[in-house]
Amino acid sequence: EAELVESGGGLAQPGGSLRLSCAASGFTFSIYALSWVRQAPGKGLEWVAVISGNGETTYYADYVKGRFTISRDNSKNTVYVQLNSLRAEDTAVYYCAIGSSVGWFDPWGQGTLVTVSS
Amino acid sequence: EIVMTQSPATLSVSPGERATLSCRASQSVSDKLAWYQQKPGQAPRLLIYGASTRATGIPVRFSGSGFATEFTLNISSLQSEDFVVYHCQQYNQRPPTFGQGTKLEIK
Repeated sequence: EAELVESGGGLAQPGGSLRLSCAASGFTFSIYALSWVRQAPGKGLEWVAVISGNGETTYYADYVKGRFTISRDNSKNTVYVQLNSLRAEDTAVYYCAIGSSVGWFDPWGQGTLVTVSS
Repeated sequence: EIVMTQSPATLSVSPGERATLSCRASQSVSDKLAWYQQKPGQAPRLLIYGASTRATGIPVRFSGSGFATEFTLNISSLQSEDFVVYHCQQYNQRPPTFGQGTKLEIK
């Protein structure tokens, strides 16, 4: 059974950086696209970014383009997202999920909370 | 981007009855529509994809319908664990977008 476990969340200052990780198990990692989706406190879901199975193709939501970078290490079954130039509005639980930007997401990890505050 | 609108924001229904949740797209998404269930403090769980196909392990009391811009999630014979939040998502066009969610509460 596929499992995703996120880590790396925490408190960051405005303008600061964090790197989130998502460790995967239970499936052939390298053939699946992985996405990051976030949810601000009490709000809906927002897709953030996606990376193809081989890592060659990435897409980003407009509001994170140029600030966030998604990557993956297929030898470690892990996907990452580097969050730079953080803003208060980036405060959210960040989930990783199996799925491309033109598909559904299943399953999801348990999420990691990022709080941007001074 | 395609805007997804869910209605109502909160739906009050009695246990054992049927709930009907709506999701509207700002332009046609064909049948590229998914529904998710989210319990408090948990990640979303996929219920329906392709507008009407139940995901693995999802009970038959969950059913989806619709095409183009109008979609419905029906939950029959509501059980206590069904009173949580439901999200719709279109994946016909990048970026994938979600509705704001419908909270199903006990009447």
